[in-house]
Amino acid sequence: NAGVTQTPKFRVLKTGQSMTLLCAQDMNHEYMYWYRQDPGMGLRLIHYSVGEGTTAKGEVPDGYNVSRLKKQNFLLGLESAAPSQTSVYFCASRLTAGSYGYTFGSGTRLTVV
Amino acid sequence: EDQVTQSPEALRLQEGESSSLNCSYTVSGLRGLFWYRQDPGKGPEFLFTLYSAGEEKEKERLKATLTKKESFLHITAPKPEDSATYLCAVQGVDSNYQLIWGAGTKLIIKP
Repeated sequence: NAGVTQTPKFRVLKTGQSMTLLCAQDMNHEYMYWYRQDPGMGLRLIHYSVGEGTTAKGEVPDGYNVSRLKKQNFLLGLESAAPSQTSVYFCASRLTAGSYGYTFGSGTRLTVV
Repeated sequence: EDQVTQSPEALRLQEGESSSLNCSYTVSGLRGLFWYRQDPGKGPEFLFTLYSAGEEKEKERLKATLTKKESFLHITAPKPEDSATYLCAVQGVDSNYQLIWGAGTKLIIKP
């Protein structure tokens, strides 16, 4: 009963470096989401996917790319990291659009120096 | 524009001291309002969904209520293990099933 698993849990990047965050879910959920959480602000949606092979932009997509080649995996890429991307990143999933209980991963704390 | 505001930002209570957290929202048409609990270093954990004004839901020491403009999370006789950040989110009918999140209320229960 792993639920949603995010890797890595922590990462420090230098400005301009690239990296990929991995999200894996074992619940056969259709919908998957990437959020960022910053102090004093609500969770903000970066990108989301409504099924295998689909992706869409959320509220704050600039500087990020995503892919959903397999239903259970949702990857978030940072092409050229900037200090403004220092944040905690959460992946979430849910079964369908009508199922409201999102399941979240435990997060990735990313620091860009 | 859909918006969610939570108050207070932080709340310190003694064990057993009941209180309420507020979530005010602006949305074109409410599809659902959600409460989550988040412990330090972890992802949010789903608590409740409320769909229409007048609805109430309970879980242990927590009770969530909903009006047309706000929701309250009432905490009765809290214990130290209730300490967490409580997040509120709304989904509007025009939101393409996406959630708009508040910044949260950090609740600290002192023994």
